[in-house]
Amino acid sequence: SQQGEEDPQALSIQEGENATMNCSYKTSINNLQWYRQNSGRGLVHLILIRSNEREKHSGRLRVTLDTSKKSSSLLITASRAADTASYFCATDRGGSNYKLTFGKGTLLTVNP
Amino acid sequence: DAGVTQSPTHLIKTRGQQVTLRCSPKSGHDTVSWYQQALGQGPQFIFQYYEEEERQRGNFPDRFSGHQFPNYSSELNVNALLLGDSALYLCASSGQGKRSPLHFGNGTRLTVT
Repeated sequence: SQQGEEDPQALSIQEGENATMNCSYKTSINNLQWYRQNSGRGLVHLILIRSNEREKHSGRLRVTLDTSKKSSSLLITASRAADTASYFCATDRGGSNYKLTFGKGTLLTVNP
Repeated sequence: DAGVTQSPTHLIKTRGQQVTLRCSPKSGHDTVSWYQQALGQGPQFIFQYYEEEERQRGNFPDRFSGHQFPNYSSELNVNALLLGDSALYLCASSGQGKRSPLHFGNGTRLTVT
């Protein structure tokens, strides 16, 4: 079963605009991660935010985490055509649970 | 520094056949996880191997089995293939027995006809 649910399912913006994607999950977590997948290829890890953190930045990426609402958001600022990809959130429950549980993803299209 | 490599990249099999997919983890990594990704869906966890043992298994039938070798490489075997097994199979590695973050290969695209 998939724990995370990304919203929206698809997002189309113009180059230079900001893109915001949301993720909701169901159970308590140790950390939440965001991955990017270019069409038909493997996933690339973008950023990890721990359950005791509220916000994290990496370059043009900003991630927030609200554990009370069981939700996270990924903001990509000043988007570029090369940011066109699917974005997935993945939750890590920690403890003896070693798997990451992925959502269905948001397909981001950045138009030049 | 080689990343995660998977072979083959594409495979076409017939229902009822068996398939073996291979994965070499990123250099320095000792933990290998396998995921199945159906079209338009997120990856679904199959199992994870660490120290040549299956550490955790997802909700997949026994037709799915795996192995990890002393050099940390891994195989995924699927028996009695069904049409629904058609998917992108992703291998991911992580280091020092950690569960994440994961480094993914580009996957094996399996088509069952």
